[in-house]
Amino acid sequence: EVQLVETGGGLIQPGGSLRLSCAASGFTVSSNYMSWVRQAPGKGLEWVSVIYNGGSTYSADSVYYADSVKGRFTISRDKSKNTVYLQMNSLRAEDTAVYYCARDPWGSSAFDIWGQGTMVTVSS
Amino acid sequence: DIQMTQSPSSVSASVGDRVTITCRASQGIMNWLAWYQQKPGKAPKLLIYAASNLQSGVPSRFSGSGSGTDFTLTISSLQPEDFATYYCQQANSFPLAFGGGTTVEIK
Repeated sequence: EVQLVETGGGLIQPGGSLRLSCAASGFTVSSNYMSWVRQAPGKGLEWVSVIYNGGSTYSADSVYYADSVKGRFTISRDKSKNTVYLQMNSLRAEDTAVYYCARDPWGSSAFDIWGQGTMVTVSS
Repeated sequence: DIQMTQSPSSVSASVGDRVTITCRASQGIMNWLAWYQQKPGKAPKLLIYAASNLQSGVPSRFSGSGSGTDFTLTISSLQPEDFATYYCQQANSFPLAFGGGTTVEIK
């Protein structure tokens, strides 16, 4: 079965760090564009970051970030674990949200598979 | 950066009604647009990609149209399971962006 499972959310104080994981099954993350999308309580969807392979087997991954997280969040992936990560540093109250990982299989930036989401709450 | 504006923000409709949701991009995005449905407490579900392509398994009462800056999602005959929030998303360039959402409510 093709699925994504996010873990790592929780309650964290402002200024703290957290690492989210997104484990894939039924497909390989290295062959797809993988994004993180978040949703603050009662609000709409906000794209956070993407990681994808630049083209050849030997090319480095390409990454992009929303301005709201640039310099604080880092996306990465481990091919051996078939997992995508989101390292979140210098967390702020406005980062409080459900974080989803999502797959774009065509490089078209439309997401066909989503995880169930993991809640991150930034509060003192 | 490209901004996406959806209208209306909410719509009340009855089962069997035809519902149309519009989405406007702040600059041209060709046909790089996707539509999603989200129900409370659930992850979004892809309905339409590349503006008018129906995702596998999605009922044919859903359709999408448009190109450039103006796009439309149409539900031809609203069913009870269609009451949800719908989002458009530009897929033309990073940073990706979603519209603010349209909630389809029961009249």
